[in-house]
Amino acid sequence: DIQMTQSPSSLSASVGDRVTITCRASQGIRNDLGWYQQKAGEAPKRLIYAASSLQSGVPSRFSGSGSGTEFTLTISSLQPEDFATYYCLQHNSYPRTFGQGTKVEVK
Amino acid sequence: EVQLVESGGGLVQPGGSLRLSCAASGFTFSSYWMHWVRQAPGKGLVWVSRLNSDGSSTNYADSVKGRFTISRDNAKNTLYLQMNSLRPEDTAVYYCAREGNYDPTPDYWGQGTLVTVSS
Repeated sequence: DIQMTQSPSSLSASVGDRVTITCRASQGIRNDLGWYQQKAGEAPKRLIYAASSLQSGVPSRFSGSGSGTEFTLTISSLQPEDFATYYCLQHNSYPRTFGQGTKVEVK
Repeated sequence: EVQLVESGGGLVQPGGSLRLSCAASGFTFSSYWMHWVRQAPGKGLVWVSRLNSDGSSTNYADSVKGRFTISRDNAKNTLYLQMNSLRPEDTAVYYCAREGNYDPTPDYWGQGTLVTVSS
């Protein structure tokens, strides 16, 4: 199985900060990765697919990059509605695997 | 508007069974692969299973293989998850999700249904 190691597990940031979250795959997965945002009590919402393609309707402050084994989700200027937990998901092979999640909290 | 509505969750004793349903609307259900993903209380997301559009091909997480069965009724626009031999560690919110039509990551998710396995 492909292991997805996400870091950090949590971070504290302020509105306007640039935030970067990383996912590392235990083996190469090309660009077969998506990023999700989940707010408390809600279903996950897809932000990024194919590692760097922005989901329709998602603000352009969100961006994804990477390929192979290392991937990054960047929020260029954190907004109040962005405080949430973020997950990566690989779809290169079964079983699909998520990262452990990164909780973005108010500093 | 795409909608996925899960139902069938509840309290069940260890060793028991439960069948979850996911009613789909707002899209051509029979054209899409579907997934189940679960989330234990306070924990992260865990992929459970996927089913192709005509129901002929499945994949499962090792933790549920042999106990859970994913299926669909395209005439009723409904996805199912039959869960047998339930364990306390199966306690979670179960989400159904639609696989994207141009990317295999799920693009639409239901709100989830809570399954609690406890005596």
